[in-house]
Amino acid sequence: DQQVKQNSPSLSVQEGRISILNCDYTNSMFDYFLWYKKYPAEGPTFLISISSIKDKNEDGRFTVFLNKSAKHLSLHIVPSQPGDSAVYFCAASFRSQGGSEKLVFGKGTKLTVNP
Amino acid sequence: DAGVIQSPRHEVTEMGQEVTLRCKPISGHNSLFWYRQTMMRGLELLIYFNNNVPIDDSGMPEDRFSAKMPNASFSTLKIQPSEPRDSAVYFCASSLLTGWSNEQFFGPGTRLTVL
Repeated sequence: DQQVKQNSPSLSVQEGRISILNCDYTNSMFDYFLWYKKYPAEGPTFLISISSIKDKNEDGRFTVFLNKSAKHLSLHIVPSQPGDSAVYFCAASFRSQGGSEKLVFGKGTKLTVNP
Repeated sequence: DAGVIQSPRHEVTEMGQEVTLRCKPISGHNSLFWYRQTMMRGLELLIYFNNNVPIDDSGMPEDRFSAKMPNASFSTLKIQPSEPRDSAVYFCASSLLTGWSNEQFFGPGTRLTVL
């Protein structure tokens, strides 16, 4: 059973517009969430994270929003650039539950930013 | 720092052969993770080590898979005998567990094809 779901396999946006990538989770024990970005033939790279005590975290063009009651998080990229075209993975962990380092990943959303 | 190093980058083998994937984590990191990425299942954790000790191998698909970490700078994932359904990209990642940070650093992956 998938605990972290990214229901949109792909997303296409125009350069300069906002990209919104969504992620849902089922396990309310998750307390730390991360977004990773992956280019072809490379490993995923960390992008941004948020702990469950916050509802927003911002880093430059990237903002992650967390809605715990809905078990939903989203990644906003503003403005989108062609170099943002990649697969984005949402991941969750039980950081405060015994210090587990395990990350549970979604299947990813392929973002294409058109010039 | 060179980042996480994986070898080989590509491996093509025939069904029944033994396959060994190698990983060198980032120096100073105390946790190492092996993942498998497929279209159907996405990015799934196979096993992870903390201070060279296997902590959770619940993701290892079956007895044909084994992993070792003889020292802090080297790990192997072995498949014996290999089967066509093992074809996937295998990633190694490492991290240093501090505070709330769960950031894992991924290697470039090994693309395995079993004919």
